[in-house]
Amino acid sequence: SQQGEEDPQALSIQEGENATMNCSYKTSINNLQWYRQNSGRGLVHLILIRSNEREKHSGRLRVTLDTSKKSSSLLITASRAADTASYFCATDARGDSGGSNYKLTFGKGTLLTVNP
Amino acid sequence: GAGVSQSPSNKVTEKGKDVELRCDPISGHTALYWYRQSLGQGLEFLIYFQGNSAPDKSGLPSDRFSAERTGGSVSTLTIQRTQQEDSAVYLCASSLDIVRLARGADTQYFGPGTRLTVL
Repeated sequence: SQQGEEDPQALSIQEGENATMNCSYKTSINNLQWYRQNSGRGLVHLILIRSNEREKHSGRLRVTLDTSKKSSSLLITASRAADTASYFCATDARGDSGGSNYKLTFGKGTLLTVNP
Repeated sequence: GAGVSQSPSNKVTEKGKDVELRCDPISGHTALYWYRQSLGQGLEFLIYFQGNSAPDKSGLPSDRFSAERTGGSVSTLTIQRTQQEDSAVYLCASSLDIVRLARGADTQYFGPGTRLTVL
């Protein structure tokens, strides 16, 4: 079953604009990650945020995490045509012993199209 | 360095045939994972291996699916008596180890996937 749900399912913007994607999840998590996928093939890791962190930056990426709302957002600033891809959030749930259960559970993704 | 590699990149088979999909993890990575991505179900966890420990098979959808990892490196995912609903992209990933992963000090590195089409 899907743990995360991304919102929106599809987003189309112009180059230079910012893109915001949201992710919600259901159970307690250990970490939350965002991945990017081009053309339905390999996933590329973008950024990881731990459950005790609230915000993280990496280049043009900004991720926030609200564990009380079980949600995260990914902001891509100054978007480029090359950012066109599907973006997924993935969580590893907290296991019975309090650590991770190691298995990533993915949402269905947001398809981002950046028009030149 | 070299990333995760998978072979074949594409596989077309007839319903009822067995298929084997191969994954070569990044050298030195002790944890290996298999996922499946299909149109209807999105990305689903199938199985993971950590070193010599018993694998976590909790995501395998049926007993037609099995996987092994020989010598702690290469892994093979086998699907017996394939069905049309098995058509999907099968993704393999590896990480240094699951302890680092749990601490957020590591991530899973994905291969390019094998696109399986069952006719």
